[in-house]
Amino acid sequence: ETGVTQSPTHLIKTRGQQVTLRCSSQSGHNTVSWYQQALGQGPQFIFQYYREEENGRGNFPPRFSGLQFPNYSSELNVNALELDDSALYLCASSYGTGGSNEQFFGPGTRLTVL
Amino acid sequence: AQRVTQPEKLLSVFKGAPVELKCNYSYSGSPELFWYVQYSRQRLQLLLRHISRESIKGFTADLNKGETSFHLKKPFAQEEDSAMYYCALSYSGGYQKVTFGTGTKLQVIP
Repeated sequence: ETGVTQSPTHLIKTRGQQVTLRCSSQSGHNTVSWYQQALGQGPQFIFQYYREEENGRGNFPPRFSGLQFPNYSSELNVNALELDDSALYLCASSYGTGGSNEQFFGPGTRLTVL
Repeated sequence: AQRVTQPEKLLSVFKGAPVELKCNYSYSGSPELFWYVQYSRQRLQLLLRHISRESIKGFTADLNKGETSFHLKKPFAQEEDSAMYYCALSYSGGYQKVTFGTGTKLQVIP
């Protein structure tokens, strides 16, 4: 069984640029959630994808967008990067969207915006 | 709106002492509560969830709806318990939106 993987590990961008982060879900999982974790904070929910559609969204602006592919892997895209977007971005996969479902986290992508 | 509060950023205890990591939540519906743990250089992972009513690695957590709390407890701390602990609340209305607290770093002193 393969766990959740994310790429790249680290990324440095400048303000105004666009970035794409990638996530491969754990084998057998059909749901992917993305989180932003700023330094010293807990993860904040960005959105969730289920069967290739956005299934729920947190308080993030539209410049945060995503995709889920038929193999359930996912991308997080951020346009017009701002300094405050610097954070660890976590991807988590699960089977189904039930509230009590366990989410399995990836190692994260560290994004630095200069 | 759902909110999770972990009042302690750092909790230091001696090995063998009891541990209690505090978590309070606010949510208008029926919550699903979790504790996640992150050991040094490892990814975030589920420790336990209230619906399972289980003890994992000696840790237990009881949901107290009257006090809106879900404190994590262990009677005797071990050095390997040193980690970052996050309390989390899940919304279960069509999609799973998880709200995390800011985390408590548990340091077990040998």
